[in-house]
Amino acid sequence: AQTVTQSQPEMSVQEAETVTLSCTYDTSESDYYLFWYKQPPSRQMILVIRQEAYKQQNATENRFSVNFQKAAKSFSLKISDSQLGDAAMYFCAYRSYTGTASKLTFGTGTRLQVTL
Amino acid sequence: NAGVTQTPKFQVLKTGQSMTLQCAQDMNHNSMYWYRQDPGMGLRLIYYSASEGTTDKGEVPNGYNVSRLNKREFSLRLESAAPSQTSVYFCASRTGTGLGNTIYFGEGSWLTVV
Repeated sequence: AQTVTQSQPEMSVQEAETVTLSCTYDTSESDYYLFWYKQPPSRQMILVIRQEAYKQQNATENRFSVNFQKAAKSFSLKISDSQLGDAAMYFCAYRSYTGTASKLTFGTGTRLQVTL
Repeated sequence: NAGVTQTPKFQVLKTGQSMTLQCAQDMNHNSMYWYRQDPGMGLRLIYYSASEGTTDKGEVPNGYNVSRLNKREFSLRLESAAPSQTSVYFCASRTGTGLGNTIYFGEGSWLTVV
């Protein structure tokens, strides 16, 4: 079974600064997707960014980018120019294909605080 | 543009009571999922349905049953609620079974079992 590990329960960043959230995963599969989800206090799950395992190029979405190291099974999220609205729980997730449906496996999350 | 709709949003149950969480999506998606989220943990998969008429167990299925009533609706039933089932429950859906499709989450249902 796949596992996703987020070793930073909490992180803090000043507004306009850059922060990196860490994620590692364990799998024997070669074909999979990785995701970062944001969960604000409203609890809604919001997709931030995704990365296909077969792509070497790191995904980027505006101020959000990832550092995907397939051999090391590492998938970190960098948030540039942090804003107050970035404060939330961030979950790393792994998607595998089971043959009948793909499923997401989540890490335990990192709570990001953004300070003035 | 409703997306994934869950009801109820909040519920308090007594131990041993039963209830059903309802989920409906209006995006014509094939796959639907039920997750639970406990404090300090990520979402864990309870059950999923790859298509209408099929259901499969996820990581934590004990104490739950599901029904894929039609393509739109996927309900989660607690037959005899236990305090360990106090959690936030999320329904989700996606258009296909492949890896690349985006998954859409509902807003969550807060369940407390006393």
